[in-house]
Order: sequence, then structure tokens, then C-alpha cells
Amino acid sequence: QQQVKQSPQSLIVQKGGISIINCAYENTAFDYFPWYQQFPGKGPALLIAIRPDVSEKKEGRFTISFNKSAKQFSLHIMDSQPGDSATYFCAAVNQAGTALIFGKGTTLSVSS
Amino acid sequence: GAVVSQHPSRVICKSGTSVKIECRSLDFQATTMFWYRQFPKKSLMLMATSNEGSKATYEQGVEKDKFLINHASLTLSTLTVTSAHPEDSSFYICSARDSLRNYGYTFGSGTRLTVV
Repeated sequence: QQQVKQSPQSLIVQKGGISIINCAYENTAFDYFPWYQQFPGKGPALLIAIRPDVSEKKEGRFTISFNKSAKQFSLHIMDSQPGDSATYFCAAVNQAGTALIFGKGTTLSVSS
Repeated sequence: GAVVSQHPSRVICKSGTSVKIECRSLDFQATTMFWYRQFPKKSLMLMATSNEGSKATYEQGVEKDKFLINHASLTLSTLTVTSAHPEDSSFYICSARDSLRNYGYTFGSGTRLTVV
């Protein structure tokens, strides 16, 4: 049973556009939601994260929107750049902090 | 910030041999470390969770005798792929959890294992 559902699987955005990736979770025991960015041949790197008591968090061009009642959260990349082309994973961490569950990933391609 | 060093980044070995991959937390103590396997264009699959000083907990379907995990200190965990076969070829990634920051998961840069 997939506990974190991520969509779309792939995304193509023009340079300067907005990239939006969506995730939904099922287990209300999750209470920390990080997003990771992964380049080919590299490990995932933490991009931005949010707690469920906050509806939005912004860091530079990256924003997480969080809807606790709907159990959904999304990543918005403003002014997308070719260097943003990578695979993005949403994740959910349980309350004890002992388990991190990944979504299936979204491959983003930003055309120049 | 927290840094996790994983070594080697690439390794090629012959079938039947064993390969050890190291994962080190450089600037924090990691009571818990995680090992993942990633197939091309797929998500990370958790293989096992290791706790310092105790046996690793393996996920269902992961052969503990093939993938030996040791977490002998608060800064080092090792994954040994024993009697490697071509189907073990994959990208292996470790992650360490900073015990002082409950939600701080930091990932290593990964190891590309090719078994020939």
C-alpha cells in the first residue's frame, strides 16, 4: 500500500514557468513533510520541508503548500530554470521521526 | 549543516565476490542509519534500518544474509553485499538521522554497484 502518492510522474516546463508537483498521504501519523531533489548519479538532497501546523512555507523560488484536512501538499517552483531539471521526491516522516516514506518521484525537465 | 559521506561512489566487482560500502556522518552523531536501493528512474526503496550497537531491521523481502549491515559506532554504518550477482547491480544510498534534530534525514551521495 503506497502511503505517499506523488504526481505527475514527469513534467516539462518552459524556462521561467511554474512547476507544480503534488503529493497526498494517507497516514495521519505523519507530521513532517520534506521534499528532496535528486540529480542523476547523486543522492537526494533536502530542498524544503514543512510541518502540518503551517499551510505554506517559502524558500527562495520554492514553496510548499500544505492542506492538512485534505492530506495533500505540493511543491511550487517559481521561475523554473534549466538547472532545476532533476527528479523531485516528496516524503513523509512519522511522529517519532524513525520512518521516512518517499513518493515515487517526479522527473522535471525545464526547457531553455 | 549535517553531512553524510558515502564511499565508494562507484564500484565494479566480479560475481561471487563481496563489496563493502561505508556511510559516515561527518559532523553529527547518528543513532539511526538507513540503507536504500534505487533502480533507474524509480524511487528509493528502504532496505534496512540500522541502530548503533544493535542488529539491523530489514524490510520484507530483503535478504539479511546477502546484505550485511553493521552500525558499530555513532558515525559509521557499513553495507556489505555478499556473494554479489549481476542482479545486485544497483544504486545504493545511505541516510543518517541526526539524533539532535529528530527530523533531520541527510543522504549520502550514493554508490553505483556493477557486478560483472
